Amino acid sequence: DIQMTQSPSTLSASVGDRVTITCRASQSIVSWLAWYQQKPGKAPKLLIYKASSLESGVPSRFSGSGSGTEFTLTISSLQPDDFATYYCQQYNSYGWTFGQGTKVEIK
Amino acid sequence: QVQLQESGPGLVKPSGTLSLTCAVSGGSISSGNWWSWVRQPPGKGLEWIGEIYHSGSTNYNPSLKSRVTISVDKSKNQFSLRLSSVTAADTALYYCARGFCSGGACYGAFDIWGQGTMVTVSS
Repeated sequence: DIQMTQSPSTLSASVGDRVTITCRASQSIVSWLAWYQQKPGKAPKLLIYKASSLESGVPSRFSGSGSGTEFTLTISSLQPDDFATYYCQQYNSYGWTFGQGTKVEIK
Repeated sequence: QVQLQESGPGLVKPSGTLSLTCAVSGGSISSGNWWSWVRQPPGKGLEWIGEIYHSGSTNYNPSLKSRVTISVDKSKNQFSLRLSSVTAADTALYYCARGFCSGGACYGAFDIWGQGTMVTVSS
C-alpha cells in the first residue's frame, strides 16, 4: 500500500490567512492525487484532482501543486466556510489510500 | 443531477456479514463511471473498500479483498457491498461514491457521494 502522510494534523488560522497543507506519499504517485474537504456530519467534497486541477464550482482560492511524492493544498485567503477537515487521496495504484486528515480550526 | 443513497442494516453481529446497497438516481449506473464504497470509522479517516464498473469488473482494497464482494444490478440502477466475518473494527460510516470522470478521462477520485450510513458491529 502507498502511505499518505498529511501535515499538520491540526492547523489554527484566522479568516483571511493563507493556509498550506502538505501531503507526502511513501512512493511516487506522479500527479494522481486528489484533495477533499469534509465538514462534520457531511460527506467529503472533491476540491482538486490530478494534483492541481480545480473541480468545477470550487472557489479559485483553493489551489493544489506538487508531483511525485510531495503535494500541497493552499487556501489563498481563508473564509469562514473553509473551516473543515481536509484529506488527500492517491489513486496511482490500488487500493486507493487517504491521508489521515488536517483539521483547520478557527484561531 | 446524480444522487446516491445508501441503505442497509445499522447493526450487524460479530462474525456476520454486512450488506449495503447504493441506489443511483438522476443518472445511469452504466454511464461510464466506476462506483465505489468508502468507509470512515467514528472520529477517524477515510478508507477505500472497492469499486465496480457496470460490466461487473471490480477492484478491491488488498487489505479487505478476502472479505469483500461488490456487485451491480443494472436493472435496479444500484450496486451493493457485502463484507463478511465482521468485527468491531468494521464499525464505521459507510459511503458509496461515484468515480470522477472529466474531459473523457476517468480518475480514481470521487465527485459524488451518498450521505453515508452508519453500521455498528456488536452483539
